[in-house]
Amino acid sequence: GENVEQHPSTLSVQEGDSAVIKCTYSDSASNYFPWYKQELGKRPQLIIDIRSNVGEKKDQRIAVTLNKTAKHFSLHITETQPEDSAVYFCAARDTGRRALTFGSGTRLQVQP
Amino acid sequence: DTAVSQTPKYLVTQMGNDKSIKCEQNLGHDTMYWYKQDSKKFLKIMFSYNNKELIINETVPNRFSPKSPDKAHLNLHINSLELGDSAVYFCASSWASGGADTQYFGPGTRLTVL
Repeated sequence: GENVEQHPSTLSVQEGDSAVIKCTYSDSASNYFPWYKQELGKRPQLIIDIRSNVGEKKDQRIAVTLNKTAKHFSLHITETQPEDSAVYFCAARDTGRRALTFGSGTRLQVQP
Repeated sequence: DTAVSQTPKYLVTQMGNDKSIKCEQNLGHDTMYWYKQDSKKFLKIMFSYNNKELIINETVPNRFSPKSPDKAHLNLHINSLELGDSAVYFCASSWASGGADTQYFGPGTRLTVL
């Protein structure tokens, strides 16, 4: 089955700096890669996603890149703000299953 | 936003009891899921139903039994609760048949087994 590894587990940045979170996946059949943000006590919420036919996608301060050959994808947050502080999860979904396999999460702390 | 709702939000119970968690979605999705988030925040799929049919059943003790009476509802019944069942359980849904992959999560049910 799919295995997703996520790094780092914690990340602390100063407000205004950039943050990068990296994930690798094992199943070359995976074709969908979402990123979720989870605030304390809340549900995971989709912030951006990318499909295997695209190498990069951007939405305002958030971007995701995908390298299918290396089987890794990354989340980039620019001009970080204190409200970006949360746990971020990457995930992968292969074509044979409909459920997501999640990474272990990255706790991002943006210091004002 | 109540697109995916779960009840109850909190559930505190004794070991050995039987309990149920209910999930409803009003998004018209055809696929629903149960995920378990443990104390280390790790999210893991438990079950998935597509049009009321079970399509994913991970290695979960058979004390856990999902039931989908219709496309909009997916309930989770847990028998003989154990301490290790304490976790947050999230329901989610998506429109898989339409090719859309986005999964929308419910607010979660925090289960505490004493």
